[in-house]
This record gives sequence, structure tokens and C-alpha cells, in this order.
Amino acid sequence: AQTVTQSQPEMSVQEAETVTLSCTYDTSESDYYLFWYKQPPSRQMILVIRQEAYKQQNATENRFSVNFQKAAKSFSLKISDSQLGDAAMYFCAYRSAIITGNTPLVFGKGTRLSVIA
Amino acid sequence: DAGVTQSPTHLIKTRGQQVTLRCSPKSGHDTVSWYQQALGQGPQFIFQYYEEEERQRGNFPDRFSGHQFPNYSSELNVNALLLGDSALYLCASSHRALGLSPLHFGNGTRLTVT
Repeated sequence: AQTVTQSQPEMSVQEAETVTLSCTYDTSESDYYLFWYKQPPSRQMILVIRQEAYKQQNATENRFSVNFQKAAKSFSLKISDSQLGDAAMYFCAYRSAIITGNTPLVFGKGTRLSVIA
Repeated sequence: DAGVTQSPTHLIKTRGQQVTLRCSPKSGHDTVSWYQQALGQGPQFIFQYYEEEERQRGNFPDRFSGHQFPNYSSELNVNALLLGDSALYLCASSHRALGLSPLHFGNGTRLTVT
């Protein structure tokens, strides 16, 4: 079974600064997808960024980028120019790339990010 | 275009009772998945419904059951509630034919068992 580990329960960052959230995972599969989700107080899970394991290039979405190290099974999220609205729980998630059906997500325990004005 | 909607928002039940939670998927989606998020934890997969059948199931007891209707909406039923069932229950929808289509989540139902 796949597992996802987020070793930082809480992180804080000054507004406009950069912060990196860590995530490691364990799998025996060679093809899979990795995600970062944001969960604000509204409780809705919002997709931040996605990475396909077969792509060597790290994904970027505006101020959000990842550092994907497949051999090390590491998938960190970097938030640049942090904004107050970035404050939330961040979850790293794994999804098998089995073709049939929509495979479920396996989540880490999350990292609570605080942004200091 | 309405996203995923869940009802009720909050619910308080007594141990031993039964509860039904409801989910309407995003327009155009045909697959519904349910997740349980205990306090301070990440969501855990309960099960997934497609074409009115349970297609995949996580490590949850038979007390957890579900249903999908012809209009793709879904229900999650939990029988013989335990204190440990207190959690946020999230519904997520997707379109199966699109392969690895992104999951769209609702705002969840907060269940408290006393």
C-alpha cells in the first residue's frame, strides 16, 4: 500500500517571503500522480498543483512550484511571494496511474501554514 | 455551473444511531467518492460509486454503506454510530471516461457523535 508522509505539522512564513512544504511517499509503482491540495477554513479541498511521475520537469502554477525527486520519493511544494490568502492546511496526495477507473487519493496528514503580515 | 454540493453542513448524532449524508456531483461528473477526515488528519478513502455500483472500497467496516442514484447523486450511510465516526465527510466527483480527471470536492459534512 502507498503511504504519504508530511513531517511538518505546522509552518509559518512572512508575507511576501518563500516557504517550502515537505512531502515524502512510499510506493512500488512506477507510474503515478502527485498532488498538493489546499484546505482553507471553508473546508473545501482545492487543487493547487499536480505532477505526473513520468514527467521529469517540475510542475509550476503561478507562485506555486514543486521539487519532484522520483528516486528519493520526495515531492515538496514551494510557495513564492506568500500572501495572507495562502494560509490553510496543505495536503500532499498520491494517486496510482492505473488506467481503469478513477483510483482514490492517498493523503498525508497535512501541514498547517500560517502567513504573518 | 454548480460544483459539488453536500448536505447537511453539520450534524449531531448519538452513539448507536444511523446517519445519511448526501452529495450532488459537479455537473457532467458521473463518479462519486467519499472520504472521511478525522480531526487533525488527512482524508481517508471510504468508497467510490460509478453506474450506481460500489467500484472501490477503502478499509472501512460494513457499517459504512452507500448508494448512487441515476442522476449520479450519492448517499453515505453509517449505521451503529461510534464516537470515532466523528469527522468531516468529504464528497468528491469526477468524470470516469476522462481517465485521471481531477477530483472536485464539496465543502463536507461535519458529523459529531456524542
